[in-house]
Amino acid sequence: GAGVSQSPSNKVTEKGKDVELRCDPISGHTALYWYRQRLGQGLEFLIYFQGNSAPDKSGLPSDRFSAERTGESVSTLTIQRTQQEDSAVYLCASSGNVGTDNGYTFGSGTRLTVV
Amino acid sequence: KNEVEQSPQNLTAQEGEFITINCSYSVGISALHWLQQHPGGGIVSLFMLSSGKKKHGRLIATINIQEKHSSLHITASHPRDSAVYICAVGGADGLTFGKGTHLIIQP
Repeated sequence: GAGVSQSPSNKVTEKGKDVELRCDPISGHTALYWYRQRLGQGLEFLIYFQGNSAPDKSGLPSDRFSAERTGESVSTLTIQRTQQEDSAVYLCASSGNVGTDNGYTFGSGTRLTVV
Repeated sequence: KNEVEQSPQNLTAQEGEFITINCSYSVGISALHWLQQHPGGGIVSLFMLSSGKKKHGRLIATINIQEKHSSLHITASHPRDSAVYICAVGGADGLTFGKGTHLIIQP
């Protein structure tokens, strides 16, 4: 597609439930990133996928968070046993090959509210 | 870990004014990004810089690698430029973000 697509755009869930967020990157972009932005705070790095390499999970805040990516396509971010502190906008971005002049293209985000 | 500092945190100006937002970082980088986040939350990548200067319309971004400093300038500012401007540094393994500069341009 023309841009990075994220779904759902909004998600309200009860504390303790699992949620799955989806990101469709720009076709051909080898790198995919997940970030989150909690209310009133800056952006935080969560996880990075580059091609078929092992993902960089250094930003995941707890073992309740996991993410997968199939090849160079769709990625899903899963949050298990959600907590109120997980409420945030979850942003996905993709970029082209390392060494190219491509910047990042961000999706519109998924606004997650845990009640 | 790279520390990214932006200034000012908040800026209110009148339409037409020349705007400068500054960004400093602590560790050498492969690239610096300027991002724009509108009230709805959407983020747009404005510039990616590794050296020198880039211009797009009324926006100009400069970077001084030796001083670990970048500036974003807006000429002839307009109310539609009101947004949060975020500096981010890093490379292919992800970005470290500044806290953003909240810009309001009043008509």
